[in-house]
Formats: sequence, structure tokens, C-alpha cells
Amino acid sequence: AQSVAQPEDQVNVAEGNPLTVKCTYSVSGNPYLFWYVQYPNRGLQFLLKYITGDNLVKGSYGFEAEFNKSQTSFHLKKPSALVSDSALYFCAVRDMVNNFNKFYFGSGTKLNVKP
Amino acid sequence: ETGVTQSPTHLIKTRGQQVTLRCSSQSGHNTVSWYQQALGQGPQFIFQYYREEENGRGNFPPRFSGLQFPNYSSELNVNALELDDSALYLCASSLVDASSSYEQYFGPGTRLTVT
Repeated sequence: AQSVAQPEDQVNVAEGNPLTVKCTYSVSGNPYLFWYVQYPNRGLQFLLKYITGDNLVKGSYGFEAEFNKSQTSFHLKKPSALVSDSALYFCAVRDMVNNFNKFYFGSGTKLNVKP
Repeated sequence: ETGVTQSPTHLIKTRGQQVTLRCSSQSGHNTVSWYQQALGQGPQFIFQYYREEENGRGNFPPRFSGLQFPNYSSELNVNALELDDSALYLCASSLVDASSSYEQYFGPGTRLTVT
């Protein structure tokens, strides 16, 4: 079965400092991994994805994520946090067992960036 | 912003009633998925429609049903509403074909409250 885990309910970081939001996954076969961000009362916005290739994936708004196969992790990172990055972040994995576009989402991590 | 729209934005229903939520997919997309996001949780997959047919379903009872129309708009119907059905319902569209990269584009959601 496919699943993702986000071990931190909340991450606090000061503006200008680097941030990391953690995600680990469990899949059958090669993973298709995604990060989404959700602002209050809004839908999810796509940030970045890992399908294959380089382990460091660059995405929107200066975010990047590092795929680590041996640790089954896909942590989201940003070198310098902004207050406007404060939001709810979801890691997701695509179901590869069945041929349809089902995503399994983690429980989310609330990122608080303080001025 | 994605090109995915949902209506209505908010809805209040009474236990036992029926509800229909609507989604308009992004232009060119052939697949729509519906997710339920309870408060404080990640989205849970309800089902997916591909070219007007349901081709995948999560762990939701049959009183959750849907339709996809030739113009790729979609409906989610829920019968015999229960209090636990209160949630944000998200529609996500994607293009699934041999060359697609599978990211889903989410609408802003419909907030359903069952009293």
C-alpha cells in the first residue's frame, strides 16, 4: 500500500532562515512524489514533483525538495523563509499500482514563519 | 490560480438530506478526482472519473456518487448526509495520457456543513 507520513504537525522558523518540512513515504515500485501548499480557505496549489532524474527538485516560489531513496524521504526545503510562506504543506504520493491518478496525502504540516 | 472552479463555495445541509457539488475542470484535462478533507487532516481520495467513467474509488460508501460530462465538468453527489460528511470537498483535474506527468490541479473547494 502507498502512504506518506509527515512527522511534524507544525514547523516554526524565523524569516530569512532556512526551512525544512519533512516527508517519508512507503510505496510499491518507484515513487511519484508531490508537494502541495494550502492557504486558509483555499484549495491546494502544486509546488513541485519528483518522477525520475535528479534527486534535488526545484519548484515554485523558491522551494526545492530532496528525494532520498535509501531513507524513503522527500523533504521540502527553502534556503530563506518568507512570512508569506506561512501555510499548510502536504506531501503526496501517486498510486502506481492501479492505472489511475489517485494521490495519497500526508496529514499536513503547518509552517509558521515569524518576522 | 488554476483553471479549476467549484460551486458552491459554502453549503449547509441537514442530516439525511442530499447534496450535489459541482466542478469545472481545467481546459484540456480528461480526468477529475474528488477528495474529502476533514478539518485538520489531509485530503482523502473519494473517486476518479476518466472520460466520463468512474475508474477508481477510495474507501467511501456508495452514497457518494459522481458524474463526469462530455465537457469534463463533474458532479459529486452525496445521499443521506451524516454529520461526519462535514468537510471541505476538493475537485482536482489532470491530464492522464502516455506523456503526462500526473500533477493534479485543485479547485478552491466546497465547504459542506451538515447539521
